[in-house]
Amino acid sequence: DAGVTQTPRHEVAEKGQTIILKCEPVSGHNDLFWYRQTKIQGLELLSYFRSKSLMEDGGAFKDRFKAEMLNSSFSTLKIQPTEPKDSAVYLCASSFGGKGAEQFFGPGTRLTVL
Amino acid sequence: GQQVKQSSPSLTVQEGGISILNCDYENDMFDYFAWYKKYPDNSPTLLISVRSNVDKREDGRLTVFLNKSGKHFSLHITASQPEDTAVYLCAAGGSNNRIFFGDGTQLVVKP
Repeated sequence: DAGVTQTPRHEVAEKGQTIILKCEPVSGHNDLFWYRQTKIQGLELLSYFRSKSLMEDGGAFKDRFKAEMLNSSFSTLKIQPTEPKDSAVYLCASSFGGKGAEQFFGPGTRLTVL
Repeated sequence: GQQVKQSSPSLTVQEGGISILNCDYENDMFDYFAWYKKYPDNSPTLLISVRSNVDKREDGRLTVFLNKSGKHFSLHITASQPEDTAVYLCAAGGSNNRIFFGDGTQLVVKP
């Protein structure tokens, strides 16, 4: 079975650009999460979908970050416009759902904004 | 404020010793507690989890202790090995499917 896949694995953007990160959850999983990982802030939740419905989006990230899930097997995270402080690893995770379900993480996208 | 906190960013243990990783949480409605392990340049993977109806769970060299009144849980790794060197993230959650992660503790096991 395929795990969570994320593309691209690496992205370099100029300040002010729009970038779109992609995620395919594990087949059959109902919940999908987008996280940002930095050494300083650790793992920060950006968005949480349950059965394609947006359940939570990290308040601090609302203005330039937009996650969408148009179907159960694909999600995107758009950052517009990018800023150098957005440089981080962006992780997508999925789970079957239900309280305490194990989250399976993708390999991440390392974003560098110049 | 941060829902889940790991006060120690790093821990160094000698091979064969016991590694004790600690985690505190804010919300006393949390009833699911977990530890994830992360190697450099890899994503986190679930190590062990426990529900609030028990105060201890063992799995091989790993033991999770839960202290609900103190809003604290810990991971004990006995007979620590160099391969245990990694970042350990604690996580906790409650009534919905959302879990909150700590910032991680870097464990280094020295040969």
